[in-house]
Amino acid sequence: KQEVTQIPAALSVPEGENLVLNCSFTDSAIYNLQWFRQDPGKGLTSLLLIQSSQREQTSGRLNASLDKSSGRSTLYIAASQPGDSATYLCAVEGFKTIFGAGTRLFVKA
Amino acid sequence: DAMVIQNPRYQVTQFGKPVTLSCSQTLNHNVMYWYQQKSSQAPKLLFHYYDKDFNNEADTPDNFQSRRPNTSFCFLDIRSPGLGDAAMYLCATSSDASGEFYNEQFFGPGTRLTVL
Repeated sequence: KQEVTQIPAALSVPEGENLVLNCSFTDSAIYNLQWFRQDPGKGLTSLLLIQSSQREQTSGRLNASLDKSSGRSTLYIAASQPGDSATYLCAVEGFKTIFGAGTRLFVKA
Repeated sequence: DAMVIQNPRYQVTQFGKPVTLSCSQTLNHNVMYWYQQKSSQAPKLLFHYYDKDFNNEADTPDNFQSRRPNTSFCFLDIRSPGLGDAAMYLCATSSDASGEFYNEQFFGPGTRLTVL
């Protein structure tokens, strides 16, 4: 049974800091891994999708990596801004889609 | 802009009173999903449609049903809502077409359900 864990559960950083969010999963038989952003009371916004055959994807200040063999993915956010404050969720798609509980990020101005 | 739309955004119902949530999409995606997300928890997949084929998750209560009359629309029916069903309900779509963004899921804004 696939389990997805995100560490840390919450993170507070000063503006401008580079940061890394972690996602780990127990079953490496996945099709893809997707990172989302969720603002309070809102739906999910897709940030990056990494196919199982890929190692990383980049979009602007965001970079996501995937290491299937170790069951890990990281989301790197460069030069964080207050507008980045949100909950970040990873979702692993295998036989079914399983989400982590998310990391709540607060970027202080 | 192509998008996933959910109505209503907020729904209040009474204990035991049936309620229907709707989702529509202009992306022409063949897969549609319904998730339940309780406060500060991970979204939990309830079921999904692959075209017209309905796929129910094993632990989804029988109280939850779904209909997909055509490619664009999907409905979530809660037959007898209980207090524990209060949550955000998220609809998502994806396409199994080959390419770089195979099966990328796109979400609607969600419907927040309150049960009194």
